[in-house]
Amino acid sequence: DVKVTQSSRYLVKRTGEKVFLECVQDMDHENMFWYRQDPGLGLRLIYFSYDVKMKEKGDIPEGYSVSREKKERFSLILESASTNQTSMYLCASSVRWGLYEQYFGPGTRLTVT
Amino acid sequence: GQQVMQIPQYQHVQEGEDFTTYCNSSTTLSNIQWYKQRPGGHPVFLIQLVKSGEVKKQKRLTFQFGEAKKNSSLHITATQTTDVGTYFCAGFHYNTDKLIFGTGTRLQVFP
Repeated sequence: DVKVTQSSRYLVKRTGEKVFLECVQDMDHENMFWYRQDPGLGLRLIYFSYDVKMKEKGDIPEGYSVSREKKERFSLILESASTNQTSMYLCASSVRWGLYEQYFGPGTRLTVT
Repeated sequence: GQQVMQIPQYQHVQEGEDFTTYCNSSTTLSNIQWYKQRPGGHPVFLIQLVKSGEVKKQKRLTFQFGEAKKNSSLHITATQTTDVGTYFCAGFHYNTDKLIFGTGTRLQVFP
């Protein structure tokens, strides 16, 4: 079974703090994704990566950056957290680009106060 | 930009009743995927449809992909309390090569 893990289930940070969200997958998948989920808005893609050290902007990249130094690990960075970044963050991976299903991690609920 | 809308946003049904959620895209899709997210859980892949007009069944769940590849539906026959959750469609767009998730339909089933 594919396993996607995220470093924290719940996180509370203060405005202006730098925040790191970590995601690890154990199935040698090429693609990894970061989404945020907000009520009524579904899942919105922040960034994705199709290879080590490669990254592409999704639909809402502003205020975020990512890092993929190893194939199994994809990090989401909030350079200076703001209250409007309070959300559920979901990491996902897929075998490769194209018509492949995505496997999601359990999510991190981030609250910025 | 590309959008994928789902209706309804919420649906409450009595156990045993049928349920349908509809997914509509503003542009043609190369495929459509469906995911289910249980309360407190994460999205889990259910199925993928690729061909125009395709229909697939999984027990009480029937998935359809429209002829024009711009819409899809998920129908659940005789709902059970285990069907509770949010159902998302996700379409892969030809011109952007991105998977766009729909807004989701939250299903509540009363026993």
